[in-house]
Amino acid sequence: DQQVKQNSPSLSVQEGRISILNCDYTNSMFDYFLWYKKYPAEGPTFLISISSIKDKNEDGRFTVFLNKSAKHLSLHIVPSQPGDSAVYFCAASGWETSGSRLTFGEGTQLTVNP
Amino acid sequence: EPEVTQTPSHQVTQMGQEVILRCVPISNHLYFYWYRQILGQKVEFLVSFYNNEISEKSEIFDDQFSVERPDGSNFTLKIRSTKLEDSAMYFCARGGQGLNQPQHFGDGTRLSIL
Repeated sequence: DQQVKQNSPSLSVQEGRISILNCDYTNSMFDYFLWYKKYPAEGPTFLISISSIKDKNEDGRFTVFLNKSAKHLSLHIVPSQPGDSAVYFCAASGWETSGSRLTFGEGTQLTVNP
Repeated sequence: EPEVTQTPSHQVTQMGQEVILRCVPISNHLYFYWYRQILGQKVEFLVSFYNNEISEKSEIFDDQFSVERPDGSNFTLKIRSTKLEDSAMYFCARGGQGLNQPQHFGDGTRLSIL
């Protein structure tokens, strides 16, 4: 299932700098997109979401951008902190075709160095 | 603190045996989901459950799987005759009320089939 893809398995940034995590999707019926963070031995924790009627949503240090024409979304974390080090998953759903089920990407391991 | 509690955290079972994984929501919700993540693979949707009925299921959710909410509180996933390939992390999630609401995950049950 390649409907949601995160092409970078890992990303390393310095504390205080911006982290940019990317996600691409192929299913044009997706209309709701989410980012989750996952620490080892824990479940995915919801971070931020965006619906397809918007192109940007911001919550504190986290901003999600959606480019529908490119079928691309990104998560910006600024400033990055060492506690942000985790695996980040993007996920998508499309109510009309697949209901509320989430389709996940592979995840990107973010490491923020002090 | 996760919004759903999953038990057990780790289950080791012989192939062919039945297992029951449990999920207890912190507060009353109507939408529940089960996902699994095989080691090194994506998080995959299994089934969604709304108002005590299955509302959607994936092709993975075949006849060996079942879900129920036996006492109106606990939400269980039963695997009738386990196979080696059922070894995975199983995550329960609860959904929000209405369209385009994030799902909130428990910390998962690690299922190991020997």
